[in-house]
Amino acid sequence: EAQVTQNPRYLITVTGKKLTVTCSQNMNHEYMSWYRQDPGLGLRQIYYSMNVEVTDKGDVPEGYKVSRKEKRNFPLILESPSPNQTSLYFCASSLSGWPGEDYEQYFGPGTRLTVT
Amino acid sequence: KQEVTQIPAALSVPEGENLVLNCSFTDSAIYNLQWFRQDPGKGLTSLLLIQSSQREQTSGRLNASLDKSSGRSTLYIAASQPGDSATYLCAAPNSGYSTLTFGKGTMLLVSP
Repeated sequence: EAQVTQNPRYLITVTGKKLTVTCSQNMNHEYMSWYRQDPGLGLRQIYYSMNVEVTDKGDVPEGYKVSRKEKRNFPLILESPSPNQTSLYFCASSLSGWPGEDYEQYFGPGTRLTVT
Repeated sequence: KQEVTQIPAALSVPEGENLVLNCSFTDSAIYNLQWFRQDPGKGLTSLLLIQSSQREQTSGRLNASLDKSSGRSTLYIAASQPGDSATYLCAAPNSGYSTLTFGKGTMLLVSP
């Protein structure tokens, strides 16, 4: 089954304790992206990756890191989480992300992160 | 930067009604627009992707239109059902960039 998977689905952690949220897709997609969703603010893009070893900042990259060593994986790293990073996080992928190319984005099920 | 607005924020209708959800965007130099559905506590499911060369796209009871000149897209749902209850989001690309801007969504409740 074609899908985007995220782990963990739920995570409660404490301020400053490094964590990684994994994202994997099995559709051979070039483009992958991370979003966060907050009440009243909607979905905002954190980072994206056009292909392996190419990543770039979205609208809200502060406090996050990403890496794209393999095509299928795009982990989100919080080196020193803070309470304002409590949010619902989504990973997404599409065949291509180049401007002007028409490909749907497919989303993972989400990771609910709470930082106390 | 693209700004995307969705009206109304919430909508409650009885089963069987036809309804229209609205999405407006500020930068009309878009090459497509995508509509998503989000169920509570779940991820986003892509419903329709309308290319800039199209004016409409249909999938079952759903029909989405795109008018770049006016900066608007509409999602029409025919003969609504309780199973259509969800939040509907539209997303437009940021011109020249590989990023998307999402609207805040319309929360739809269809009552039996």
